[in-house]
Amino acid sequence: DAKTTQPTSMDCAEGRAANLPCNHSTISGNEYVYWYRQIHSQGPQYIIHGLKNNETNEMASLIITEDRKSSTLILPHATLRDTAVYYCIVGPSGGSNYKLTFGKGTLLTVNP
Amino acid sequence: GAGVSQSPSNKVTEKGKDVELRCDPISGHTALYWYRQSLGQGLEFLIYFQGNSAPDKSGLPSDRFSAERTGGSVSTLTIQRTQQEDSAVYLCASSPPPYNEQFFGPGTRLTVL
Repeated sequence: DAKTTQPTSMDCAEGRAANLPCNHSTISGNEYVYWYRQIHSQGPQYIIHGLKNNETNEMASLIITEDRKSSTLILPHATLRDTAVYYCIVGPSGGSNYKLTFGKGTLLTVNP
Repeated sequence: GAGVSQSPSNKVTEKGKDVELRCDPISGHTALYWYRQSLGQGLEFLIYFQGNSAPDKSGLPSDRFSAERTGGSVSTLTIQRTQQEDSAVYLCASSPPPYNEQFFGPGTRLTVL
């Protein structure tokens, strides 16, 4: 069973905010939401993770709904270099989260 | 600083040959992971090391696959008697405590003819 559901693809204009949704309706109380991305021909790159509070770092913001059944990754000012497949993953934190389960992800295309 | 490095970047081999893939994790990262990504597919977990021990080998697809890690650093993934279905990009990642973030290398593209 898929633990997360993401749109297959999205487009965004350069300089605009990219909002990538993820549904994780079966998330359990001790599971975190993780986001990674994979630029073509490169290894995946960690972006951000959170439990229930909204999180922000230098790359992105993560908004998690109060019921934790969905979340949104926000890239505030998308650039062409942000074109990549974005993966939303749920799992335990810390040392228990060693087996990342990547789904199909969302292909974000940033257009000039 | 230096990231995770993998070698070779590309490997072409003939069916039935053995191959060794190397991963140099980031210094100080005690956890190390191997994944593979077949063409058009998602990432598939293979094995996880904590130090030199491998608590979870459940992702290894067959007994032709093995991996070791020495000195809590470099890891080698060995595939014996390679088959065409082994063709994929093999990715290595490492992680420091508290292990919430995995740092991936660029991968080794393996092609079995």
